[in-house]
Amino acid sequence: EAGVAQSPRYKIIEKRQSVAFWCNPISGHATLYWYQQILGQGPKLLIQFQNNGVVDDSQLPKDRFSAERLKGVDSTLKIQPAKLEDSAVYLCASSPSGGRYQETQYFGPGTRLLVL
Amino acid sequence: GQQVMQIPQYQHVQEGEDFTTYCNSSTTLSNIQWYKQRPGGHPVFLIQLVKSGEVKKQKRLTFQFGEAKKNSSLHITATQTTDVGTYFCAGQGEYGNKLVFGAGTILRVKS
Repeated sequence: EAGVAQSPRYKIIEKRQSVAFWCNPISGHATLYWYQQILGQGPKLLIQFQNNGVVDDSQLPKDRFSAERLKGVDSTLKIQPAKLEDSAVYLCASSPSGGRYQETQYFGPGTRLLVL
Repeated sequence: GQQVMQIPQYQHVQEGEDFTTYCNSSTTLSNIQWYKQRPGGHPVFLIQLVKSGEVKKQKRLTFQFGEAKKNSSLHITATQTTDVGTYFCAGQGEYGNKLVFGAGTILRVKS
């Protein structure tokens, strides 16, 4: 089966610009996650969707970050305006059903963002 | 909030030597997962531990979940160059909240 797809793979922008990332999860997976991974750190959950509803967005900086999964399939994560500290890899992951207790998460290749 | 700590941050071993990374949670976990991330790659699921005191093996890898369900370890016997990467543990709290990743242990293997 095809894995989690993400685009673009790399993005360089200047601070205060906006950027958007796209993710297409594994077909049939109900739960989609966006993580931020800063160099030298583990992934940090930004937002979790189950189908098209938000399960957890407690660590999403809502003043500048937004995400949507309108039809319960693919998702977009946006940053507007970007700051230098947003430089990181943005990982999308999906899992089959997203029940209360976590299943295996399948990660996409990530988008490497550099903010200058 | 829940915190997950991993040690060591970095380990450089000679090929054939053993390697262990330790993971400690500030709160009791419902389960813990381990992931491997190759340089330039993305995390790949290795295993999930759910029961207190559970031990699971995958070839040269041995995973343990502590009796109190607050700590875990990954041991690799006789490392190979293909074991290079960063190993992350990720824990979920008792009440079904989000998965929290540790900072990872970077493993380098000298041949």
